[in-house]
Amino acid sequence: GAGVSQSPRYKVAKRGQDVALRCDPISGHVSLFWYQQALGQGPEFLTYFQNEAQLDKSGLPSDRFFAERPEGSVSTLKIQRTQQEDSAVYLCASSLPGLAGDTQYFGPGTRLTVL
Amino acid sequence: DQQVKQNSPSLSVQEGRISILNCDYTNSMFDYFLWYKKYPAEGPTFLISISSIKDKNEDGRFTVFLNKSAKHLSLHIVPSQPGDSAVYFCAASAYGGSQGNLIFGKGTKLSVKP
Repeated sequence: GAGVSQSPRYKVAKRGQDVALRCDPISGHVSLFWYQQALGQGPEFLTYFQNEAQLDKSGLPSDRFFAERPEGSVSTLKIQRTQQEDSAVYLCASSLPGLAGDTQYFGPGTRLTVL
Repeated sequence: DQQVKQNSPSLSVQEGRISILNCDYTNSMFDYFLWYKKYPAEGPTFLISISSIKDKNEDGRFTVFLNKSAKHLSLHIVPSQPGDSAVYFCAASAYGGSQGNLIFGKGTKLSVKP
């Protein structure tokens, strides 16, 4: 498909488990973003890649959160020792930087529920 | 502290009428603004954007107005259609959106009644 894809769409984890969430950006998009969306809130920034370089990880809530994009395309967000407060929808977005400002295109998200 | 505020959690409009969704921001460094539409169980879908060098941008039924002095933007949908029923998010960025994250409001749920 032409859009951003994410997998799995839904993930249920027991507290303390590690999870890995995958994002396939739009082909050719240089920039990739991860956001966390809690219920009733807008998306909140987690981290940003330009190609394989992680340029901003200021939004990661703790050192249990780790993201990578080793070849500059697919990205994985890993959460170690999940806690109940990690329950949220995790959104991935990609963009192609341009002179007029780049629009971020979002995937469908992964809904994580930590029991 | 919320840098992007959508003070109306919900809005109900009759089909065919105008829908006006409002957004306020506090950070004067923001220079690029976007509106996204979100259906349940889907990711946000880009609708329309505006750079701070403009005060209006139009795309079909959607128009975004920017008032920099008031730090306020609005999205007008004319005419509103039942398929427009969704949550609308306002988002803002500094550096023309090219260097990092978007800051989102909490969203406004629009219901368009037939």
